[in-house]
Amino acid sequence: DAGVIQSPRHEVTEMGQEVTLRCKPISGHDYLFWYRQTMMRGLELLIYFNNNVPIDDSGMPEDRFSAKMPNASFSTLKIQPSEPRDSAVYFCASWGNYGYTFGSGTRLTVV
Amino acid sequence: DQQVKQNSPSLSVQEGRISILNCDYTNSMFDYFLWYKKYPAEGPTFLISISSIKDKNEDGRFTVFLNKSAKHLSLHIVPSQPGDSAVYFCAASTTGANSKLTFGKGITLSVRP
Repeated sequence: DAGVIQSPRHEVTEMGQEVTLRCKPISGHDYLFWYRQTMMRGLELLIYFNNNVPIDDSGMPEDRFSAKMPNASFSTLKIQPSEPRDSAVYFCASWGNYGYTFGSGTRLTVV
Repeated sequence: DQQVKQNSPSLSVQEGRISILNCDYTNSMFDYFLWYKKYPAEGPTFLISISSIKDKNEDGRFTVFLNKSAKHLSLHIVPSQPGDSAVYFCAASTTGANSKLTFGKGITLSVRP
């Protein structure tokens, strides 16, 4: 398996624009997590899914953030409108028989 | 409110010496603890874990110690190598229906040649 795949690796966008981050989990993993890494707060859990169903979105900072998992092999995290304080590295991770595996992350810069 | 705390943001040690990375937690329901290592431009990767029924787990140069009464765990790396230079995250979870991990802020370890 290729592991957890995230795209894009880097995203630079202007304030107010919509940003969509994508994740393909490891096949067979039942759980998918979205994390955000910042210097101030470390790795924060934003939302996680079990069998494509959102279980806990209490970490989503504002209504500007939304996440979907339309099927077992794909998830998106959307920010609309984006703001400079959203600049961070966003990680997707999946959990299953092979344990907890992170993707390489998307570095988002909002200018 | 940070439930998993890594209070030291950075640590620098000489190659060959011991590195001790500390982690404290506040949630007494946590019963499984993990350490992740992260290199720049990569995602965190699993390093070592410990269940609350143990107080020590060893894997090669890496040993994790758990003190449940103090709600404290530590990662020992002996001997430290330059390739160990990375950010180390402490994480905790409760066994049960979900596998949500709560992470600390991370500590940057630099091993000087």
